[in-house]
Amino acid sequence: GENVEQHPSTLSVQEGDSAVIKCTYSDSASNYFPWYKQELGKGPQLIIDIRSNVGEKKDQRIAVTLNKTAKHFSLHITETQPEDSAVYFCAALYKGSYIPTFGRGTSLIVHP
Amino acid sequence: KAGVTQTPRYLIKTRGQQVTLSCSPISGHRSVSWYQQTPGQGLQFLFEYFSETQRNKGNFPGRFSGRQFSNSRSEMNVSTLELGDSALYLCASSLDGTGLYTEAFFGQGTRLTVV
Repeated sequence: GENVEQHPSTLSVQEGDSAVIKCTYSDSASNYFPWYKQELGKGPQLIIDIRSNVGEKKDQRIAVTLNKTAKHFSLHITETQPEDSAVYFCAALYKGSYIPTFGRGTSLIVHP
Repeated sequence: KAGVTQTPRYLIKTRGQQVTLSCSPISGHRSVSWYQQTPGQGLQFLFEYFSETQRNKGNFPGRFSGRQFSNSRSEMNVSTLELGDSALYLCASSLDGTGLYTEAFFGQGTRLTVV
């Protein structure tokens, strides 16, 4: 089955810095890669996603890049703010399965 | 528009008991998925229901079961509880039943503690 590795497990940055979280996947059939943000006491919320026919996608301060050859994808957050502090999860799945495999999560801490 | 509602928010049960968790999806959403979240294993997919039918199932033992009603509300049942079942159980609803292919909205979860 699919295996998703996510790094780092904890990321501490100063407000205004950029943050990068990386995930690698094992199943070359995976073709959809969403990123979720989970704040304390809340359920995960989709923040951005990318499909395998696209190399990069941006939404304001957030971007995701995908390298299908290397089987890895990354979340980039620029100009971080304290409200970006949360746990971020990546996931991978392919159309035939509909079963998502999640990374272990990255706890992002943005210091004011 | 109301979000995904999970009840109860917190639950404490004894080993060997059974438990039922409830999830009310966003109005109009027909797909409901369930996940188990633990510090050790992270987020793991349990199963997904669409139009009262289980369409997808993760790798969990048969003690974990679920169902969906005609109004799309879903329940998850865990029988013969074990200490390792202590976790945050999340449900997510989506519009057209393609799982995470369309945006899945998560509830706040039910925190189950087995003692």
